Order: sequence, then structure tokens, then C-alpha cells
Amino acid sequence: GNSVTQMEGPVTLSEEAFLTINCTYTATGYPSLFWYVQYPGEGLQLLLKATKADDKGSNKGFEATYRKETTSFHLEKGSVQVSDSAVYFCALGYSGAGSYQLTFGKGTKLSVIP
Amino acid sequence: DADVTQTPRNRITKTGKRIMLECSQTKGHDRMYWYRQDPGLGLQLIYYSFDVKDINKGEISDGYSVSRQAQAKFSLSLESAIPNQTALYFCATSDSQGLAYSYNEQFFGPGTRLTVL
Repeated sequence: GNSVTQMEGPVTLSEEAFLTINCTYTATGYPSLFWYVQYPGEGLQLLLKATKADDKGSNKGFEATYRKETTSFHLEKGSVQVSDSAVYFCALGYSGAGSYQLTFGKGTKLSVIP
Repeated sequence: DADVTQTPRNRITKTGKRIMLECSQTKGHDRMYWYRQDPGLGLQLIYYSFDVKDINKGEISDGYSVSRQAQAKFSLSLESAIPNQTALYFCATSDSQGLAYSYNEQFFGPGTRLTVL
């Protein structure tokens, strides 16, 4: 079956530090990959997505590249801000016949300190 | 106004009570979902509906039921609540129309925090 494994948190960084949150997946076929972000007290929001191998998703300074050879979709940001403090979820979506759900990782909590 | 709304936002109830959580959307999407979030476990799918007449169980449907009253409304019921159903519940929507080989984004509501005593 499909599964997503992401690095466990919590992750604490100083402002302007470089961020990497690792995500690897197991899937049959050709899934789409997503990063969602959940700010305190809110629902999940799509941060970025990639729908095929070698695609790079980017938004708000965050980037992730769909690597089929390593089955990975690591999230990176060059310089984090306090406002980036949130929980980040990697997710896999498969649009093949009979399977339409998103499979989520367990989430990684990021805290950015001034 | 929010595109996906959930009511109530917070609910405390007692074991054995029947509880209904409601979700409404103004996005015009045909697909709707209910998820449960527990600390450290990510999101788990409870039920999903592709249209008013199509309802499907997710990975953790035991103890829950749903009703799709209209394209825009999808409610989740706990017939007899128990303490291990204490969690954060999210409704989400997606649109079946889109690029052929991309999975359509899901849009989430703000969540309902349910506590069962």
C-alpha cells in the first residue's frame, strides 16, 4: 500500500536558518506529492505540490523536488522566519482507478525562535 | 467568508452521547472528506463522498457514520461517543475536474475539537 514517512520533530531553528524536512514515500504507480502546513489553531493549507517526477513545487520561499529515483520529496527553505512556525505534513495522492485518497505523514512541528 | 466551514468548532460531550459534526462548503466541489487528527499520527480518513449518492468508508470508519445532505453539506455522526474518539476532526473538499494526471488538491476546514469525557 501507499505510505509516507517524514522526519520526526519537533524541529527548533533560529530565525534565518536553513530548513530541511525529509519525506520519503512508498507507492505503486505515479502519485502526486504535497506539502501541507497547519498553523496553530487552523486547518491544513496546501503549501506546494508536484505531480510528476522531477517537478519542483515552490511557494512562500519553500521548495520541494519530486525525486522518483529516491522516492523522496524533501521540503527546504533557505531562511526561515518566526511566522513559519507550524506543523508540516507530507502527503501522497494517487489518482489511479479505485484509489482517490490522500495519505499523510505524521507531521513535523517546526518552531522558529528569534 | 471561509470556503469550508465546520460547526461546532469545539465540543465537549459525555460517553454514550450522540454527536453530529457539520461541514458546509461554497467551493462548488463534488468531493468531500472527513478526517481525524490525533497528536503524532497525522490525519486518518474516516469517510469520503464523491457525490450525494456515493459514500465510502475510509481507514477508520468504525463508530462513525456520515450523511451527504446536499453537494455542499457533509455531516459526521458519532452514534455513541467514547473517550478514544477525542480528537480534532477536519472536513475537506476537492474537485473531480482537473488535469488528467494530477491529483486534485484538497481544501480543509478549520477543524472541530471534540472531547469525550
